[in-house]
Amino acid sequence: QKEVEQDPGPLSVPEGAIVSLNCTYSNSAFQYFMWYRQYSRKGPELLMYTYSSGNKEDGRFTAQVDKSSKYISLFIRDSQPSDSATYLCAMSASYGNNRLAFGKGNQVVVIP
Amino acid sequence: NAGVTQTPKFQVLKTGQSMTLQCAQDMNHEYMSWYRQDPGMGLRLIHYSVGAGITDQGEVPNGYNVSRSTTEDFPLRLLSAAPSQTSVYFCASRPTQGSRSPLHFGNGTRLTVT
Repeated sequence: QKEVEQDPGPLSVPEGAIVSLNCTYSNSAFQYFMWYRQYSRKGPELLMYTYSSGNKEDGRFTAQVDKSSKYISLFIRDSQPSDSATYLCAMSASYGNNRLAFGKGNQVVVIP
Repeated sequence: NAGVTQTPKFQVLKTGQSMTLQCAQDMNHEYMSWYRQDPGMGLRLIHYSVGAGITDQGEVPNGYNVSRSTTEDFPLRLLSAAPSQTSVYFCASRPTQGSRSPLHFGNGTRLTVT
């Protein structure tokens, strides 16, 4: 079993809809959870960074971590065509760990 | 401020050829790393370095060599290219080991081995 599971199947939503993405993981030592956004033919860029369980909100983006269920989520409210990208979850056991475990990425298309 | 610069952007190699993928950063970051990204596999760590003269293996190091003679540069060498090394390669850097700062990624090198 891979350490991090993320359903890569493309997700198409109409503009203004809520996008919901999630990852599950198996390593209970993971404490730091990240979401990266990757536009086509570009490198990933950090979108959200959370520690342990709980919610974090940044504008239209909300990250949730449920360590008891080993499940993390990213919600995008009022989605825009500019949100069309691949979203990758990543996690690590320690602060600034050199070995991040990435999910496969989830392609999102927001249709105007 | 250019950030992380990768060259070339695209490369086609024949099986058995060798080449070096270049990565340079101008942010004085101590930590640098190489990932490969394949459909259905996500990002996988190949090698990383926590400073000049120090390198270590990641998840998929076989077939690749690295060295770190300066803080700025972290080249990735393919010794004898194989079709299984067809992938998109990303270089990433961060200020220091244990830093809260996120990884800064380059825009990738798309490599095809025929």
